Amino acid sequence: ETGVTQTPRHLVMGMTNKKSLKCEQHLGHNAMYWYKQSAKKPLELMFVYNFKEQTENNSVPSRFSPECPNSSHLFLHLHTLQPEDSALYLCASGAGHKSTDTQYFGPGTRLTVL
Amino acid sequence: GESVGLHLPTLSVQEGDNSIINCAYSNSASDYFIWYKQESGKGPQFIIDIRSNMDKRQGQRVTVLLNKTVKHLSLQIAATQPGDSAVYFCAENSAENSGGSNYKLTFGKGTLLTVNP
Repeated sequence: ETGVTQTPRHLVMGMTNKKSLKCEQHLGHNAMYWYKQSAKKPLELMFVYNFKEQTENNSVPSRFSPECPNSSHLFLHLHTLQPEDSALYLCASGAGHKSTDTQYFGPGTRLTVL
Repeated sequence: GESVGLHLPTLSVQEGDNSIINCAYSNSASDYFIWYKQESGKGPQFIIDIRSNMDKRQGQRVTVLLNKTVKHLSLQIAATQPGDSAVYFCAENSAENSGGSNYKLTFGKGTLLTVNP
């Protein structure tokens, strides 16, 4: 148990659906991250929030919309996704966006887009 | 060993043997490195880290070695156990741009370790 929780753990959605992924961290961290993990590819950073402000959008399509209402919660809103968006979506948190900050990951949401 | 962009390498060892997992990193300016373990159905779990001013760091049954000359990182697991079976990947932390205050982790693709009883 790393102190980072994600819900739901599994999600199946059609291309026209709207759904949201939720992440919560109980570590008192100031930075939160969304990553995408696809088969046979390295972890891809999607978004970074530092002190609730978005500091990075790694050229992510607009069908993915993040929201960070406070330092403990992070959402990823999904809309009109494509089958190639099927992947494991991982949330992580860290003390801050600085050089020696370890990131701690949640268990991920396994997303399947039909 | 592993390197970003290649297929997932595998390492198979017998229970009780020592395991060595290798990683080639890309940015000579990276100053912090982390090894993660990811078991099936779980998120990556922090194992051990090392700063660039060190060349070796030991934890419980794990040792990380850093060779900055050749940009190589290795994870050694002593007396490997079945519970060590997982994908292991390294991550390097470097500034996003020169003089920048924001850092990002770049992950390798991982090595699948299988421990045979």
